[in-house]
Amino acid sequence: GESVGLHLPTLSVQEGDNSIINCAYSNSASDYFIWYKQESGKGPQFIIDIRSNMDKRQGQRVTVLLNKTVKHLSLQIAATQPGDSAVYFCAEDPSGTYKYIFGTGTRLKVLA
Amino acid sequence: GAVVSQHPSWVICKSGTSVKIECRSLDFQATTMFWYRQFPKQSLMLMATSNEGSKATYEQGVEKDKFLINHASLTLSTLTVTSAHPEDSSFYICSAGGDPRFLNEQFFGPGTRLTVL
Repeated sequence: GESVGLHLPTLSVQEGDNSIINCAYSNSASDYFIWYKQESGKGPQFIIDIRSNMDKRQGQRVTVLLNKTVKHLSLQIAATQPGDSAVYFCAEDPSGTYKYIFGTGTRLKVLA
Repeated sequence: GAVVSQHPSWVICKSGTSVKIECRSLDFQATTMFWYRQFPKQSLMLMATSNEGSKATYEQGVEKDKFLINHASLTLSTLTVTSAHPEDSSFYICSAGGDPRFLNEQFFGPGTRLTVL
């Protein structure tokens, strides 16, 4: 079946360094992708999204890159801070009906 | 962005009892609400899609008679876990979408931690 997966289950980075979280998706029809941050015991928090007609989108300290050729999505966090420690999920919308498929998640640990 | 609330935030119940979880969109109208379940250290798994005024659509493997969903208004959806058992213990998260002001975007609630003894 269709799936969204992540390459790394845990990523540890030094405070101040940049973080890169990767995601592979398999549904070539997906035209909308989202990154979520989830802290322990809380619901997912929207970080940034991107549509398939773009290959890069920037937010505050975050950048999402989309490579449709290899079906790859990444989230870059600049100057990673302790508050960035969380689990990050990518999600795709393959049908345009808000029915998102979530990836397996990557835990980001920020080391002081 | 829009705000979605869930109530209760956590609940502990005895095996065999039923538990109702509410999901509310506070400042927008949600024609569609989604219910997810998340086990520890795992991803969100979609259980069902709830459309206002119609029956919910359940994902494969999710028992509709066990997880009753009602979406009676554009701001409220409820999930009732009937005859709960310890294996139903999980983190239940709802999301709401469908407001044309927020194209494609779902807004997630804070989740409800269910523990069945």
